[in-house]
Amino acid sequence: GENVEQHPSTLSVQEGDSAVIKCTYSDSASNYFPWYKQELGKRPQLIIDIRSNVGEKKDQRIAVTLNKTAKHFSLHITETQPEDSAVYFCAASTGTASKLTFGTGTRLQVTL
Amino acid sequence: NAGVTQTPKFQVLKTGQSMTLQCAQDMNHNSMYWYRQDPGMGLRLIYYSASEGTTDKGEVPNGYNVSRLNKREFSLRLESAAPSQTSVYFCASSERQNNEQFFGPGTRLTVL
Repeated sequence: GENVEQHPSTLSVQEGDSAVIKCTYSDSASNYFPWYKQELGKRPQLIIDIRSNVGEKKDQRIAVTLNKTAKHFSLHITETQPEDSAVYFCAASTGTASKLTFGTGTRLQVTL
Repeated sequence: NAGVTQTPKFQVLKTGQSMTLQCAQDMNHNSMYWYRQDPGMGLRLIYYSASEGTTDKGEVPNGYNVSRLNKREFSLRLESAAPSQTSVYFCASSERQNNEQFFGPGTRLTVL
């Protein structure tokens, strides 16, 4: 089955700096790559997703890049703010089954 | 719209007891999912239902059963709870496969 690895497990940045979280996946048939944000004690919520026919997608301060050849994708957050502090999960899904396999999460802390 | 709702929010069981976690969505979504979240392990898929009338195993199905009661409701049953099933359980739904999944608020289950 699919295996998704996520790094780093924790990340601390100063407010205004950029943050990058990286994920690799094992199944070359995977074609859907969402990113979820989970604040403490809350449910995960989708922040951005990308499909395998696209190399990059941006939404304001958030961007995701996908390298199908290397089987890795990354989340980029620019101009970080304290409210960006949360746990971020990457995931990958194969074909029509829509079985998401999640990474183990990155705890991002934005310090003042 | 309430989105995805789950009951109960908290539950404590003794080893060997049984219980059913309830999930309902009011977004007319076709696909529904059950995940468990453990510290350091991200979200792992237990069972999913791609459409009404179908269910399939995910990554960690042992010790669980599910019922897709109708398009709105998807329940998860623990027949004989074990301490290893202590976790936070999330239900999710999506309009169709490989689309954004909307999560419920979670159920925190402790098995003593």
